[in-house]
Amino acid sequence: GNSVTQMEGPVTLSEEAFLTINCTYTATGYPSLFWYVQYPGEGLQLLLKATKADDKGSNKGFEATYRKETTSFHLEKGSVQVSDSAVYFCALSDRGNTPLVFGKGTRLSVIA
Amino acid sequence: AAGVIQSPRHLIKEKRETATLKCYPIPRHDTVYWYQQGPGQDPQFLISFYEKMQSDKGSIPDRFSAQQFSDYHSELNMSSLELGDSALYFCASSLDLGPFSGNTIYFGEGSWLTVV
Repeated sequence: GNSVTQMEGPVTLSEEAFLTINCTYTATGYPSLFWYVQYPGEGLQLLLKATKADDKGSNKGFEATYRKETTSFHLEKGSVQVSDSAVYFCALSDRGNTPLVFGKGTRLSVIA
Repeated sequence: AAGVIQSPRHLIKEKRETATLKCYPIPRHDTVYWYQQGPGQDPQFLISFYEKMQSDKGSIPDRFSAQQFSDYHSELNMSSLELGDSALYFCASSLDLGPFSGNTIYFGEGSWLTVV
């Protein structure tokens, strides 16, 4: 079945450091890939998405590129801020309106 | 823009009681999903509806049921509550753009259920 594997956290970085959160997936066909973010005590917010190979999703300084050859969708940000502290979930949906399959989540803490 | 609306945001129930959660999807969205997120866990898919018919079923316990009504809102009914049902319950919605499209699923703020 479909699955998503994320690097385990927690990840602790200093402000303005470079962030990478690795995500790889297993899926049949051509899934759409997503990153969701969950701030403390809040719901899930869509951060970015990519729907086909080589697409790059970007939002709020975060980027991720859909790499079919390595089945990866790593999340990156060049300079993190304290306000980026949250749990980040990588997810996929393999067709149309099928439910999302989530990774285990990676907790990011950014310290000033 | 309108988002997914869930109610109540918080509720506390005793063991063996019943709880009902409500979800109002984004207008014109035709698919509703329910997820359960335990403390420190990733969201687990429970069930989904497309055009008021059940479309996918995940790890929903037999004690739980759900439906989508004619106005597209959905309700998750949970009976014989157990301590382990304490979790954050998310509703999400999307618009089906076809099997080869990248439908985006939008989540509500969630309903916190505490079973004591």
